[in-house]
This record gives sequence, C-alpha cells and structure tokens, in this order.
Amino acid sequence: KQEVTQIPAALSVPEGENLVLNCSFTDSAIYNLQWFRQDPGKGLTSLLLIQSSQREQTSGRLNASLDKSSGRSTLYIAASQPGDSATYLCAVWISNFGNEKLTFGTGTRLTIIP
Amino acid sequence: GAVVSQHPSRVICKSGTSVKIECRSLDFQATTMFWYRQFPKQSLMLMATSNEGSKATYEQGVEKDKFLINHASLTLSTLTVTSAHPEDSSFYICSARPGLGNTEAFFGQGTRLTVV
Repeated sequence: KQEVTQIPAALSVPEGENLVLNCSFTDSAIYNLQWFRQDPGKGLTSLLLIQSSQREQTSGRLNASLDKSSGRSTLYIAASQPGDSATYLCAVWISNFGNEKLTFGTGTRLTIIP
Repeated sequence: GAVVSQHPSRVICKSGTSVKIECRSLDFQATTMFWYRQFPKQSLMLMATSNEGSKATYEQGVEKDKFLINHASLTLSTLTVTSAHPEDSSFYICSARPGLGNTEAFFGQGTRLTVV
C-alpha cells in the first residue's frame, strides 16, 4: 500500500526566506507526482505536476524535484511571501489495474511571518 | 489551469435527510472525476472514482448505498449523501481530469456538510 509522508508537519519562516518542503513515498511505482496548496476551508490549487520521466518542474518562485528511486520529492519556495501561507500537499498518482488515483500526503502547514 | 466548480460550498441538513453535491468541469470534459473526504487537520481520503457512463468505483470501507455517485455527462458528477447522520459531517471535495496519463487533476472548492 502506498504511503505518502510530508515533513515537517508545520513550518514557520520569516518573510523573504527560501524554504524546502519534503515529501516521501513508499512505493516507487508511481507515474506522476503533483503538489497542491490548500487554504483554510477551501479546495486544492494545483501548483506543479512532475511526470515520472522528469526530475523537476518550475513555476515562478516554485521548483519541485522528483527522485523516484529514493521515493522523494521536494518543493522549493524562493523569496517567501505572507501570501504563501497555506497547507501544502504532495500526492502521487498510481495505477492499479488501469484505475488511476491520487494518494495524498499528510501535508505541511506553512506560515510566513511578515 | 482548468476550472472545477463544486456546489454548494456549505450545507446544513437534518439527520435522516439526503444531500446532493454537484461537481462540474467548466472548460473541459472529464471522463473521470474523483470524490474525497477530508476530516479536520487531516489529508484527503479518496472515497470513489466516478466514470462517465458507468458505475463508480468505491474505495474499501466506503458504503456505496450511502454515498451515491452519478456521472451523467462529461462535465457533471454528483455525490448524494443519503440518510445523513452527524458522523457524515465533513468536508467533501471533488476533482476532475481532462484525460488519462500525464494530465493534472483539478479540484473544486469543497463542500462543508454539517448534519444536525
């Protein structure tokens, strides 16, 4: 059974700092990994999708990496801003007999201190 | 990114009644939609996968007679919580994919269900 873990569970950093969020998964037989942010009481916003053949993706101040062999992904946020405060979730796509689905991590609650 | 609309955003209902939640893909067709449940300060748990024109695939432990899913068109899936009880109170979120393989999943804004 695929398990996805995110460390740390919560993180507070001063505005302007760069930071890294970690995600690990137990089964390397994934074919995509996706990072999301969730604001309190809201749905999910897709940030980045990394295909299994890729090692990283970039969007603005965000950079996500993927190392399938070690079962790890990181989300790097540069020059953090108060608006980045949210819960960040990583999720892996797995395929089980043709049924594709996402397994979510436990999330990291990020607070950027002005 | 693509837009998924979920309605209602909040609903309060009495025990024993049924509640329907709608999930629409506004600018793309979705052959597959997913329904999740999220408890406070926890991650998302997949309830079922909804396939247009066929029966939904439910995850282990999810009662299909209690959580009825209908995917009647390529842009609409509905989740009906039947005979709701207070323990069904939760945050329900849907998502949709434009296709299979390497495409992203896009999520609705969620529905906060409170059963009193």
